[in-house]
Amino acid sequence: QKEVEQDPGPLSVPEGAIVSLNCTYSNSAFQYFMWYRQYSRKGPELLMYTYSSGNKEDGRFTAQVDKSSKYISLFIRDSQPSDSATYLCAMSAAAGGTSYGKLTFGQGTILTVHP
Amino acid sequence: DADVTQTPRNRITKTGKRIMLECSQTKGHDRMYWYRQDPGLGLRLIYYSFDVKDINKGEISDGYSVSRQAQAKFSLSLESAIPNQTALYFCATSVAGQGEGETQYFGPGTRLLVL
Repeated sequence: QKEVEQDPGPLSVPEGAIVSLNCTYSNSAFQYFMWYRQYSRKGPELLMYTYSSGNKEDGRFTAQVDKSSKYISLFIRDSQPSDSATYLCAMSAAAGGTSYGKLTFGQGTILTVHP
Repeated sequence: DADVTQTPRNRITKTGKRIMLECSQTKGHDRMYWYRQDPGLGLRLIYYSFDVKDINKGEISDGYSVSRQAQAKFSLSLESAIPNQTALYFCATSVAGQGEGETQYFGPGTRLLVL
């Protein structure tokens, strides 16, 4: 079983829809949770970062972390065609943990927002 | 100018050939990483280096070697390429103690095809 599981999709939604992307994980040492966005033929770029449990909002994007359930989510409101990309969740442990300084990625979800 | 550059961007080689992928960064980061990306598998860590004298294996290091020539340069070698090493390769950098769980910054990728 992978440490981080992410539904690869693909996910296709109409413009304006609310998108929910999710990851589950098994390593309780993970403390840092990130979402990366990767456009076609580009490298991943950091979209959202959250430390420990809780929510974080940035414009149309909201990241949620539920450490008790080992579950993280990314919500995209009012989705736009420019949001079409692959979204990767990533996690790392706190200092002192064996995973510190290394990211463990989910498989990535391919999202298409059509006009 | 790109902060993390990779050369070449595309490479076709034959089974058994030795090839080198190069990564340079101008971000001043001390940590560098090599990943490969395959469809449905996300990003998998090949090697990572926390400073010039520190090299560590990732989860899929077999068949690969690395060299950290300077703080800004980290090269990945395939000593004898095989077809299942066909993939998209990414270099990434991060800085310790930045307060965001070792956020990593990715290069544009090298697309490698082994025939």
